[in-house]
Amino acid sequence: DTAVSQTPKYLVTQMGNDKSIKCEQNLGHDTMYWYKQDSKKFLKIMFSYNNKELIINETVPNRFSPKSPDKAHLNLHINSLELGDSAVYFCASSQDSDRYYGYTFGSGTRLTVV
Amino acid sequence: TQLLEQSPQFLSIQEGENLTVYCNSSSVFSSLQWYRQEPGEGPVLLVTVVTGGEVKKLKRLTFQFGDARKDSSLHITAAQPGDTGLYLCAGAHPNNDMRFGAGTRLTVKP
Repeated sequence: DTAVSQTPKYLVTQMGNDKSIKCEQNLGHDTMYWYKQDSKKFLKIMFSYNNKELIINETVPNRFSPKSPDKAHLNLHINSLELGDSAVYFCASSQDSDRYYGYTFGSGTRLTVV
Repeated sequence: TQLLEQSPQFLSIQEGENLTVYCNSSSVFSSLQWYRQEPGEGPVLLVTVVTGGEVKKLKRLTFQFGDARKDSSLHITAAQPGDTGLYLCAGAHPNNDMRFGAGTRLTVKP
């Protein structure tokens, strides 16, 4: 069983389109995250959700919006895609009460905007 | 500005050699984690260090947390091709999320 699963694995789309990336975790974790990994492999936090509350929102354009229908899901919706949005997006989860056990990451979604 | 600086950025060695990679910061962290990421996959947690001066061993990997909890090192003994990957350190940020370094890309040649 995959602990954190993301779909799709690859996404190629044109500029200006709207797209969503789905994420589900079956670990019973309290908190879920979205990270963006650029071409230099730098992982940057975008959002985190804890019990349906957005607790972190970095300087991310408002074209990006996280949506959490329940504790096990955190989807990422992107409006009006731009070339600079091309990157690998990772979903992760953690047991917020004890970050000692670290984050469990999904396998990533490679987004290419053309 | 990156909170965590990792060095070296790239490292290519022969199988059997030893190596050390570093993670440095001017900030104090309540905990620090090391992850390894392979191509096409997400990072996988290797270890968490919490106490200043703490040393943890995971087979041929030795992790050390600095006394002041601002830096950490990862030492690999007798590296193998299977150790190839991107090694990331991450520190617990006051906002309660983990901030990652840019990583060290290790290549171990057979």
